[in-house]
Amino acid sequence: SAVISQKPSRDICQRGTSLTIQCQVDSQVTMMFWYRQQPGQSLTLIATANQGSEATYESGFVIDKFPISRPNLTFSTLTVSNMSPEDSSIYLCSVESFTLGGYTFGSGTRLTVV
Amino acid sequence: QKEVEQDPGPLSVPEGAIVSLNCTYSNSAFQYFMWYRQYSRKGPELLMYTYSSGNKEDGRFTAQVDKSSKYISLFIRDSQPSDSATYLCAMSRRSDKLIFGTGTRLQVFP
Repeated sequence: SAVISQKPSRDICQRGTSLTIQCQVDSQVTMMFWYRQQPGQSLTLIATANQGSEATYESGFVIDKFPISRPNLTFSTLTVSNMSPEDSSIYLCSVESFTLGGYTFGSGTRLTVV
Repeated sequence: QKEVEQDPGPLSVPEGAIVSLNCTYSNSAFQYFMWYRQYSRKGPELLMYTYSSGNKEDGRFTAQVDKSSKYISLFIRDSQPSDSATYLCAMSRRSDKLIFGTGTRLQVFP
């Protein structure tokens, strides 16, 4: 199955600033997915990123707050903009696993906003 | 009503016990069912993937899907302290996003 490298693994940021999270996959994939996992909660899909087109955002998430880039078939970034303490979460990228079925996840970025 | 319901636990069992983890769902269109294991401070790790109804076994793990009852289960045999983690069920329709349960925290004590 695909191996996903995600960085940074963690960061502590000041409110009002922005953080860009990178996700690198070791194989070409059509769709990449970005999730948020708030403390003690399950995973919520933020958006789906297809190469060569605008990302598709889920209800409650907007491009101005979570801009996504997808410059090629192995890489994507998610930016958390104008951060507030409510943005403190784990952010994860995911791709579909055609060999195993299901979806593979990166190790996540643990973000704390102070 | 949530689309996927999962008992959050925590579930505490002795080493060697058989563990049963369950999820119920409301959307009959779900076709793909997954179980993930998530250790603290790590991303979810895919354990089992099942399409439609039936059973699937992999080592100490067995996944069951009963679409008629909208109920899925994960059984862990001979549980080990290393199985202590949060277990998440997830499911989707064809070519659609994953919907996750809230996760069940499992603690296996020696």
